[in-house]
Amino acid sequence: AQSVTQLGSHVSVSEGALVLLRCNYSSSVPPYLFWYVQYPNQGLQLLLKYTTGATLVKGINGFEAEFKKSETSFHLTKPSAHMSDAAEYFCAVRSITGNQFYFGTGTSLTVIP
Amino acid sequence: DGGITQSPKYLFRKEGQNVTLSCEQNLNHDAMYWYRQDPGQGLRLIYYSQIVNDFQKGDIAEGYSVSREKKESFPLTVTSAQKNPTAFYLCASITGGGANIVSEAFFGQGTRLTVV
Repeated sequence: AQSVTQLGSHVSVSEGALVLLRCNYSSSVPPYLFWYVQYPNQGLQLLLKYTTGATLVKGINGFEAEFKKSETSFHLTKPSAHMSDAAEYFCAVRSITGNQFYFGTGTSLTVIP
Repeated sequence: DGGITQSPKYLFRKEGQNVTLSCEQNLNHDAMYWYRQDPGQGLRLIYYSQIVNDFQKGDIAEGYSVSREKKESFPLTVTSAQKNPTAFYLCASITGGGANIVSEAFFGQGTRLTVV
């Protein structure tokens, strides 16, 4: 069975500081990996995804994530936080054999001016 | 523009009533999903459908029902048997994909259901 763990339900950073949101997955076979962002009372928007190939994936709004098989991790980073980055972030996995998505419990990012 | 439309955005239900949440997509996607979102619990899968006229229970299907009569539509009914229906409901879809295609899930804007 697939599962996703997001460490830290709340993360606060200063504007201009590094953003690091953690995601670990459990799967015997490396799955497909996704990061989504959600603004209040809205749906989820895809930030980036890893399927195969290069392990460092670049997404929208300056975010990127690195797939590390040895650590079963897919942490999301952004070099410099902006006020508009304040939102809820979800890590998700999808098995390579099916259409089921499994989401983490989310990390709420606060950006302090 | 292609996308997923959920309606209404806000819905109020009296206790004991059934209500139906609409989800329509014009992306020609095969699979559609319903998730429930509660604070601190992430997204939990209610029902999903891989093709027309077929659907499967997710992790928290009790008190909910769905239908998939058309590829574009996947309505969710919250029945009176659902004891705690107040939540944010999200509909999503993905394409069946194909060779070398890994599709992400596309989401609607959500419906916030409140029991009054």
